[in-house]
Amino acid sequence: NAGVTQTPKFQVLKTGQSMTLQCAQDMNHNSMYWYRQDPGMGLRLIYYSASEGTTDKGEVPNGYNVSRLNKREFSLRLESAAPSQTSVYFCASSEARDDEKLFFGSGTQLSVL
Amino acid sequence: GENVEQHPSTLSVQEGDSAVIKCTYSDSASNYFPWYKQELGKRPQLIIDIRSNVGEKKDQRIAVTLNKTAKHFSLHITETQPEDSAVYFCAASGFGNEKLTFGTGTRLTIIP
Repeated sequence: NAGVTQTPKFQVLKTGQSMTLQCAQDMNHNSMYWYRQDPGMGLRLIYYSASEGTTDKGEVPNGYNVSRLNKREFSLRLESAAPSQTSVYFCASSEARDDEKLFFGSGTQLSVL
Repeated sequence: GENVEQHPSTLSVQEGDSAVIKCTYSDSASNYFPWYKQELGKRPQLIIDIRSNVGEKKDQRIAVTLNKTAKHFSLHITETQPEDSAVYFCAASGFGNEKLTFGTGTRLTIIP
C-alpha cells in the first residue's frame, strides 16, 4: 500500500498562475484533508472532505478550491496564486471524520514568485 | 475556537537524557490530544495520543500526560537517541478531525 500520495513534490509558480495539487489514498478512507505548513505556525487546515461528495472550509480557505473526485482522490486548486500561498502543502486522510488518526502525504513545496 | 500553545520552540538534549515538550489548550471541550513527529523533509506521523478520560499514556520511551484542570499536556521522551531528532507537534480537538488544532512545533535536537 502506498498510503497517501501527493503530486507534485515541488512547484514554482508566478503570481497569478493557477495549478492543482493532486492527492490520492489507497486505504479506503472516508475523510480527506488539505493542510498548509508555514514556519512557526504549525499545520493549518485549508479544506476537508468528511466523506465522498462533501467538502467544507477549514481555518484558512481563502484563495483555494477543492474537489473530492471520488473516494480515493481529493485535489486542491489555486486559481490565481499569490506569494502568500508559498508554503508546504500536506494532504491527509482518516478512516472517518471522528477517527482521529491522520495519515499524511509526503507534501508539496510550493513557491509563488 | 481552540488555541494551542507549545513550548519550547527549540530544545537540545544530550543523548540518553530526557526531553519534555509542553502544550496548553484553551477549549475545555477538547477531548483528544495527539502528538505528531516530523523528521526533516518527511511527513508528520502520529506517535502517541491521549483522550481526556486518561491522565497518562506510555509507549516504550515516550509518554504523554494530561492535566484537564490546568488544560495542559506534555510529551516525555526518555533515554533519547539520535533518531528522536525531529520537529514534534502537539494538537487538540473536540469531536471531528476538522477541529484538530496544531501547536507551532518544537524542534528537538539530540546531541551525540
